[in-house]
Amino acid sequence: SQTIHQWPATLVQPVGSPLSLECTVEGTSNPNLYWYRQAAGRGLQLLFYSVGIGQISSEVPQNLSASRPQDRQFILSSKKLLLSDSGFYLCAWSVGQGGKLFFGSGTQLSVL
Amino acid sequence: SQQGEEDPQALSIQEGENATMNCSYKTSINNLQWYRQNSGRGLVHLILIRSNEREKHSGRLRVTLDTSKKSSSLLITASRAADTASYFCATDAGSSASKIIFGSGTRLSIRP
Repeated sequence: SQTIHQWPATLVQPVGSPLSLECTVEGTSNPNLYWYRQAAGRGLQLLFYSVGIGQISSEVPQNLSASRPQDRQFILSSKKLLLSDSGFYLCAWSVGQGGKLFFGSGTQLSVL
Repeated sequence: SQQGEEDPQALSIQEGENATMNCSYKTSINNLQWYRQNSGRGLVHLILIRSNEREKHSGRLRVTLDTSKKSSSLLITASRAADTASYFCATDAGSSASKIIFGSGTRLSIRP
């Protein structure tokens, strides 16, 4: 069966520090991978999505970047965090076009 | 950017009553999906309806889609306290079927 791992569950980082959030999927090949951010009580904002290795579409670049070094690994990074980067970060995967998404458990990031 | 907008933003009903949430979107789509999110958790897929479908049922859930009005509704019948959660619609971007964008969500509270 397919599973998605996202860690850590919570993270507190100072302003200006780097960020690396990792997401891995097991049990499927060539998934579409997604990073979303959710502010408290709000909807999900699509940050990046990838339909294959080396193919990353950026929706809200700002100071965040994403990489897909392996088929089932998606990494969200920042060189210098801003206060506005605080939020709930969710990784998700799907197969095919427009299919249902399977979400990780999320990372609550607080930038102080 | 937000593709969908849910209405109402918040809904509080008595246990046993029906709950109806609406979603409007802006561009042509291939599919529309509904998700549920319990506080602080990842999203769980509820139902997917294709653009050539008008209505779909799954247990106590009924989804309708009106592509001419670019709108959808989610009906939860015979609500239970466990249905308390936020509900989101999500659409693909039509020409970019792998790009999945979420609406702002409806917070549903079921009073015992």
